[in-house]
This record gives sequence, structure tokens and C-alpha cells, in this order.
Amino acid sequence: LAKTTQPISMDSYEGQEVNITCSHNNIATNDYITWYQQFPSQGPRFIIQGYKTKVTNEVASLFIPADRKSSTLSLPRVSLSDTAVYYCLVGDGLYSSASKIIFGSGTRLSIRP
Amino acid sequence: SQTIHQWPATLVQPVGSPLSLECTVEGTSNPNLYWYRQAAGRGLQLLFYSVGIGQISSEVPQNLSASRPQDRQFILSSKKLLLSDSGFYLCAWSTPGASGNTIYFGEGSWLTVV
Repeated sequence: LAKTTQPISMDSYEGQEVNITCSHNNIATNDYITWYQQFPSQGPRFIIQGYKTKVTNEVASLFIPADRKSSTLSLPRVSLSDTAVYYCLVGDGLYSSASKIIFGSGTRLSIRP
Repeated sequence: SQTIHQWPATLVQPVGSPLSLECTVEGTSNPNLYWYRQAAGRGLQLLFYSVGIGQISSEVPQNLSASRPQDRQFILSSKKLLLSDSGFYLCAWSTPGASGNTIYFGEGSWLTVV
């Protein structure tokens, strides 16, 4: 699994767009980029996944540049309920070694009124 | 649809007592199964993962063990709990061979060792 680096914490205000960037310089050709959100006393939940360019769903957008060495999770018009820890994971489930899914420290996002 | 359940949700155990947390997955076959632990305010620590019945890989040497007696059942155990075993335990599953690292978590179990 490729190692990822993301900011430890971020602060923003309600109604703002929040962008969290993750660096993954050693990403492999078959690797996908997946983001998870975790609220206190809950397990992380899947937000979005992408391989290249841009992916958008009802919750967020994921921007991946051509070299794929980084990715940016974009949360439009955040609310207080978006306060959570966000994890970026990079890997490929096709190989047995990818069965070991390790989470980094994540980014603790705090939204203020 | 697939579901995952783990229990008990909370428990308070004295130091030196045994532990058994159970997790079951429904709606899928031959999943990869995982046990994670999260101390208060900390990140997720992978404890064990399993790619099949009886196949357990341990990530952190400690007084915990895991077993997979059935395809969709994953059990976390300890013979003698330590204070440092306190934390939030999460069971999870993923689909082997699926692209990416999509993993799904149970509701979690809060363990307090006193």
C-alpha cells in the first residue's frame, strides 16, 4: 500500500468549501484513492473513490491530477455535521497484500458556526 | 445487501479477565475480515486480518488473539485483559479482488478495562 500524508487538522466555517489534500508519491499504477469519514464512536464510512481526474457524488468531489501523486477531497458548503476525521487510503484490492488495510492518522476537520 | 454486526456494544471488564468480541457479516461470501482498535482520540490500529477460514494475520504482538471459525464470523479474544486493552474495537470487511480499498465497518465495541 502506498504511504499517504495529509494534514493533521483543519478548521473552517459553515457554508465554506473545504479542500483536504493527500499526498501519495509512491502510488502504483493499479492503485485507487479512497476517502473515508469517521465520526466519534463510529467506524469510518466510505465517502468517495477515484482513479484519475475528477469524481463527484452527492457528498463530495475528488480531484486527482494527471501524475496521481496527490488527491484533494472537496466538501462543498460544509455544515457543523461535517466535523469528523477524514482518511485518505491508497491501494488496490486485487492482490493479497492489499488485504492489509491500514489507516493513517487522518485529518481532523472542525467546522465552526 | 451486505451487513456487519458486532457485539457486545459496550463492556466493562476487570484486569485479568477474559474477553470475547464477536463479529458476523451477512450478504457476502469469503470476505476479508479485520479487527481494529482505536484508543480515545487516536487513530485506527489494525490488530488482525483474515483472508479465509482459519487464516489469521496478526499485526501487533499483544495479549489478544483472533479466530475465524466460519466464513463470515470473526472473533477477538483475550485470556487476560490489561488496562491498556481499553478502547474502541471495530470489526470490518472488504471484498477480495475488488478494485480499491473499500472497507465496511461494524458499529464498534467500547471496552473499558478497570
